Amino acid sequence: AQSVAQPEDQVNVAEGNPLTVKCTYSVSGNPYLFWYVQYPNRGLQFLLKYITGDNLVKGSYGFEAEFNKSQTSFHLKKPSALVSDSALYFCAVRDPAGGYQKVTFGTGTKLQVIP
Amino acid sequence: DAGVTQSPTHLIKTRGQHVTLRCSPISGHKSVSWYQQVLGQGPQFIFQYYEKEERGRGNFPDRFSARQFPNYSSELNVNALLLGDSALYLCASSLVGQVAGGSPYEQYFGPGTRLTVT
Repeated sequence: AQSVAQPEDQVNVAEGNPLTVKCTYSVSGNPYLFWYVQYPNRGLQFLLKYITGDNLVKGSYGFEAEFNKSQTSFHLKKPSALVSDSALYFCAVRDPAGGYQKVTFGTGTKLQVIP
Repeated sequence: DAGVTQSPTHLIKTRGQHVTLRCSPISGHKSVSWYQQVLGQGPQFIFQYYEKEERGRGNFPDRFSARQFPNYSSELNVNALLLGDSALYLCASSLVGQVAGGSPYEQYFGPGTRLTVT
C-alpha cells in the first residue's frame, strides 16, 4: 500500500524568507511523486513532479522539491516566499507497480506567508 | 486550450436522493479520475477510467459508480446519498503512459463540484 504524510498542518513564513513544506512517503518500489497547490474554492494545480533522474526538481512559480530516497522524503521548497504563495499544498505519490493509476494524497499543509 | 471542466459547480441534495456529476477532460487526455475531498482533508481516490474501462477503484461503497463515454467525458453517480457524502468532488484528466503500470504523467484537475447533502 502507498501512503503520504505531511507532518505539518500549517507553516508560517515571513515574506522574502525561504520556505519548506515537508512530505514523506511509503511505497513498495520507486515512487512517482507530485506536489499540487489548492487555492480557496478551487481545484488542485500541478506544481512539479519527480519521476526519475536528478533529485532536485524545479517546477512552477519558483518552487522546487528535493527527492531523498534514503529518508523517503520529497520536501517542497522556495528560496523567497511571496504573500501570493499562501495556499494549501498537497504532496501525492503514485506507485508504478500499483497496477493502475491511483494517486494517494497527503492531508495537506496550509502555507501562510506573512507580509 | 480549455482545462478540465465540471458541472454543476454546486449542488444541494437531500438524503436518499441520487446525484450525477459530469466531467470533460482536457483535449487529448484519455484518462479521467474522480476524487472526493472532504473539508480539511486531502483528495481521496474514487475511480480511474481509461478508454471507457474502469482501471482502478478506491475504497468507496457500491453506491458510487462512474462511466466514461466515447468522447472521454465522464459521469460520477452516487445513489442513496448520505450526509457524509457532502464534499468537493474533483475530476482529473491525464495522459497515460502505460495501462498496466503507473503513469509518470501528472493529473490536471477541474474546479470541482461542491455537493451538500441535507
